[in-house]
Amino acid sequence: DAGVIQSPRHEVTEMGQEVTLRCKPISGHNSLFWYRQTMMRGLELLIYFNNNVPIDDSGMPEDRFSAKMPNASFSTLKIQPSEPRDSAVYFCASYRGTGELFFGEGSRLTVL
Amino acid sequence: GEDVEQSLFLSVREGDSSVINCTYTDSSSTYLYWYKQEPGAGLQLLTYIFSNMDMKQDQRLTVLLNKKDKHLSLRIADTQTGDSAIYFCAESIIKASGGSYIPTFGRGTSLIVHP
Repeated sequence: DAGVIQSPRHEVTEMGQEVTLRCKPISGHNSLFWYRQTMMRGLELLIYFNNNVPIDDSGMPEDRFSAKMPNASFSTLKIQPSEPRDSAVYFCASYRGTGELFFGEGSRLTVL
Repeated sequence: GEDVEQSLFLSVREGDSSVINCTYTDSSSTYLYWYKQEPGAGLQLLTYIFSNMDMKQDQRLTVLLNKKDKHLSLRIADTQTGDSAIYFCAESIIKASGGSYIPTFGRGTSLIVHP
C-alpha cells in the first residue's frame, strides 16, 4: 500500500501565480480531506469529499481557493492568484470509514 | 473558542514520563484520538479510545478519558528522544445523516525530549 501521495512536496512561487496541489488517496477510501497547517492557526480543515462529492467547503479561506475530485483516485487544490499569506503546509488525508485518517506527507508552499 | 484545546509545548527529560492533556467540548464525541506528527511528515494515528472507555493502555502509551470533565490525556512512559514530535488530540462525531466523520483537531502539543 503506497499510502496517500501528494505532489509537489515543496513549491516556491511568486505572488499572483497559480498553484495546484495534487493528491492521490489510498485506493478504496471513500472520503478525502484537505487541511492547511500554519504556526499561527494550527491544522485547519479546508474541504472534504465523500465519494468524490464536496460535502463541506466552509473552511476554504476565500474564492481564490478551489478543490476538485474528478474521480476516486485524484484530487486537486488550486490557489489562484496566490498570496504570501497562503504560505503553509497543505495536507491531504483519506478515510475508509474505520475511524483513522491517513495523511500524506504534505506540500509545503512558499509564496514570495 | 476552539473545540479541542491543548497546551502548545511540553519539555521533558529522557526517561521521564510525559503527560499531554487535551480538553474537548462536544459531549457526543464517539471517538477520541491521538495523532503524532514527526518533523517534515504528515500526521499518523498513534492511538484512540472509544467514548465508553475510561482508559486504554498500549505498551508505553496510556490514554485516560474523563467524560465528565471532557478531558483526555496521553501518558508516554520512559520518554525517548524519538518521541519528540507534535501530538494532536482529535475528537469525532459520527453524524446521524449518512455517517460522515468529521474530525476536529487541536492545535497540537510539541513534545521536546532532552537528555
